[in-house]
Amino acid sequence: ETGVTQTPRHLVMGMTNKKSLKCEQHLGHNAMYWYKQSAKKPLELMFVYSLEERVENNSVPSRFSPECPNSSHLFLHLHTLQPEDSALYLCASSQGFATNEKLFFGSGTQLSVL
Amino acid sequence: DQQVKQNSPSLSVQEGRISILNCDYTNSMFDYFLWYKKYPAEGPTFLISISSIKDKNEDGRFTVFLNKSAKHLSLHIVPSQPGDSAVYFCAASGTSGGSYIPTFGRGTSLIVHP
Repeated sequence: ETGVTQTPRHLVMGMTNKKSLKCEQHLGHNAMYWYKQSAKKPLELMFVYSLEERVENNSVPSRFSPECPNSSHLFLHLHTLQPEDSALYLCASSQGFATNEKLFFGSGTQLSVL
Repeated sequence: DQQVKQNSPSLSVQEGRISILNCDYTNSMFDYFLWYKKYPAEGPTFLISISSIKDKNEDGRFTVFLNKSAKHLSLHIVPSQPGDSAVYFCAASGTSGGSYIPTFGRGTSLIVHP
């Protein structure tokens, strides 16, 4: 496998469910990101991890809980979500945080909250 | 308050003609700019970038122009091909007190008609 892999590709959940999104990168990168893409909105940064330590949290509601057990894996734990949380959740990685750094994205998880 | 703005949600172009996608930014600390391309059911992929020390960068059919005084950049695709049909995201990052993590626009959907 190469690149950034996200599972599942699609997820439908009720507001009382608990689910987790998984991301794995095979690029040897040190930084990993969660982004949210909603219709007609910019890509919104949610969380950033550097070498398994969270370095940025863009005031995301506590119903989203990230976990980075090692530099290759990133999870987003979901609980008691709202219908407005329905969106495409994208994971990305980069070598580091240099200004000319390029992000490598996974294909995303399309989440629907009923 | 959006720091990176892509005011055209969509653009339709005939095959063989030029596609021009525009992006404006408000943060004067941004000094590196990137364009990403996203096909349906895939994550964004890096396309081309430009540093603020330049006003033009070219890569094959793709050219990015930067006008720092106007805080404006544009992506030119010449000639446009049906395979270029995708959503194009503009992103900006910076040092000197700016964020080293890219800030994205909301994207422009390009449709190239055969």
